[in-house]
Amino acid sequence: AQTVTQSQPEMSVQEAETVTLSCTYDTSESNYYLFWYKQPPSRQMILVIRQEAYKQQNATENRFSVNFQKAAKSFSLKISDSQLGDTAMYFCAFNSGGGADGLTFGKGTHLIIQP
Amino acid sequence: DTAVSQTPKYLVTQMGNDKSIKCEQNLGHDTMYWYKQDSKKFLKIMFSYNNKELIINETVPNRFSPKSPDKAHLNLHINSLELGDSAVYFCASSQDKQAGVFGQGTRLTVV
Repeated sequence: AQTVTQSQPEMSVQEAETVTLSCTYDTSESNYYLFWYKQPPSRQMILVIRQEAYKQQNATENRFSVNFQKAAKSFSLKISDSQLGDTAMYFCAFNSGGGADGLTFGKGTHLIIQP
Repeated sequence: DTAVSQTPKYLVTQMGNDKSIKCEQNLGHDTMYWYKQDSKKFLKIMFSYNNKELIINETVPNRFSPKSPDKAHLNLHINSLELGDSAVYFCASSQDKQAGVFGQGTRLTVV
């Protein structure tokens, strides 16, 4: 069974700073998918970024980028120029690529952006 | 247009009751899911349903049952509700190996 670990329950940074959220995972699969989801106070789950394990290039989406280290089974999220609207719970998630398996989530990191 | 919609958004009910949460997706996805988010915000998959194949998380009590009248719907039925069932329930859908698209969640409170 896969496990996803987020070791930072809460982080707080000043607006405009860069912050990195850590995520490690454990799997015996060779091909899989990794995701970061954002959950603001509205409760909606919003996809931030997606990484396919067979792609060596790190995914980027505007101010969001990942550092994917397959050998180390690490998948950290970097948020540049952080904004007040980035305040949310962030969840790292794993999918084995089987489609119907669904997502295995970490416990989340509560990110607070201070003005 | 809402991609994945759940109703109701809030549900308060007494212990022992039976309730349902409806979920509909208009994305044409072939797989739908139910997740439970507990009071500590931990998300765990309960069910996935794909082409009439149901995959059940073994930790889910059999009081919970998904029902899919068609490919666009996956409703969640809960019998004999217990206090510990209080949580936020999310429906989601996905296609192939794409990321899941989530509904807005249903906050269930059992009193």
